[in-house]
Amino acid sequence: EAQVTQNPRYLITVTGKKLTVTCSQNMNHEYMSWYRQDPGLGLRQIYYSMNVEVTDKGDVPEGYKVSRKEKRNFPLILESPSPNQTSLYFCASSSKRTGVRHYGYTFGSGTRLTVV
Amino acid sequence: EDQVTQSPEALRLQEGESSSLNCSYTVSGLRGLFWYRQDPGKGPEFLFTLYSAGEEKEKERLKATLTKKESFLHITAPKPEDSATYLCAVMSNTGNQFYFGTGTSLTVIP
Repeated sequence: EAQVTQNPRYLITVTGKKLTVTCSQNMNHEYMSWYRQDPGLGLRQIYYSMNVEVTDKGDVPEGYKVSRKEKRNFPLILESPSPNQTSLYFCASSSKRTGVRHYGYTFGSGTRLTVV
Repeated sequence: EDQVTQSPEALRLQEGESSSLNCSYTVSGLRGLFWYRQDPGKGPEFLFTLYSAGEEKEKERLKATLTKKESFLHITAPKPEDSATYLCAVMSNTGNQFYFGTGTSLTVIP
């Protein structure tokens, strides 16, 4: 089954304790992205990657890191989490754009992170 | 600055009562406009992509249309299982980022 898999689904951690949220896709997609979703603010892009070793900042990159060493994986790293990073996080992937066209995202099921 | 505004924030319909959701956008050259459906606690599910004004896409009871300033998601004779939050997003020609609206929460009452 074609899918984007995130782990963990739920995570409670303490301020300052480094954590990694994993994301893996099995569709051979070039394009991957991380979003956070907060009430009243909608989905905001954190980082995205056009292909292996190519990443760029989205709208809210502060406090996050990413890496794209393999095509299928795109982990999100919080080096020193703070309470304002409590949110619902989604990883998404998409096939390569053709010309000016871009195909829709396939989203993961989400990771609900609480930082206390 | 690229921007997406969705209205209404929430909509309650009786089963069978058709209506439309609106997505207004400001973007410096539209590469694509996307509609997604999101159920509580789940990731958004892709519905449609529209690329140019005048384009229309249909899927079951849903029909998406696009003008130069806005998109509409028309829901014909909705059923309770259509209850969800519907999200609109745009991608501009000048960048690689998606910009999402805050969504319309649709409730269809039996």
